[in-house]
Amino acid sequence: QVQLQESGPGLVKPSETLSLTCTVSGGSITSYYWSWIRQPPGKGLELIGYVLYSGDTNYDPSLRSRVTMAVDTSKNQISLKLTAVTAADTAIYYCARWYCSGHTCYHLIHWGQGTLVTVSS
Amino acid sequence: QTVVTQESSFSVSPGGTVTLTCGLSSGSVSNGNYPNWYQQTPGQAPRTLIYNTNIRSSGVPDRFSGSILGNKAALTITGAQADDDSDYYCLLYINSGLWVFGGGTKLTVL
Repeated sequence: QVQLQESGPGLVKPSETLSLTCTVSGGSITSYYWSWIRQPPGKGLELIGYVLYSGDTNYDPSLRSRVTMAVDTSKNQISLKLTAVTAADTAIYYCARWYCSGHTCYHLIHWGQGTLVTVSS
Repeated sequence: QTVVTQESSFSVSPGGTVTLTCGLSSGSVSNGNYPNWYQQTPGQAPRTLIYNTNIRSSGVPDRFSGSILGNKAALTITGAQADDDSDYYCLLYINSGLWVFGGGTKLTVL
């Protein structure tokens, strides 16, 4: 059974960089697409982007200038970095794996439990 | 910027049928948007109900069904139960690798 676990600081100061790690157990990260999704408290879901095991990435246009996602196949981890954070970046951050067939991805099949990151001085 | 639209809230009586919809601010939703539907209960990560318009994810009861209705994707719950009281999100493929969530619908079963 694939399990995803997000980790990282729960508090980040404004203008600093948010850094999170998603550790995957019960399966390899190779051959899959991985995403980060966030959810501000009491609000809806926002898909930040995705990263392929090869390192190819695609980000939401509204966050593209501040986001970097990467994979570490040796550690079975996916990372997220978000620069120049503000209070608007306060959210629960989830990592998730896509179910894909061939070159088409269909849905986010496995999710982590999420980690709350608060941006505050 | 592409906006995916959903009803903000809906209510249904136990045993009743409800249809939630998912649209695009510009244009129609089609099978080519590979509509997904997710259910989220408080404090939990979302789980997939429907993907690729009408395919139920593993373990999802058959009272949940997906379709295209007119120019929108639709999630229909037939015979609503108390534990269907949740938030529901659609996710659409837009283009060039871009997927966008709708704002979510809060469904109340009472």
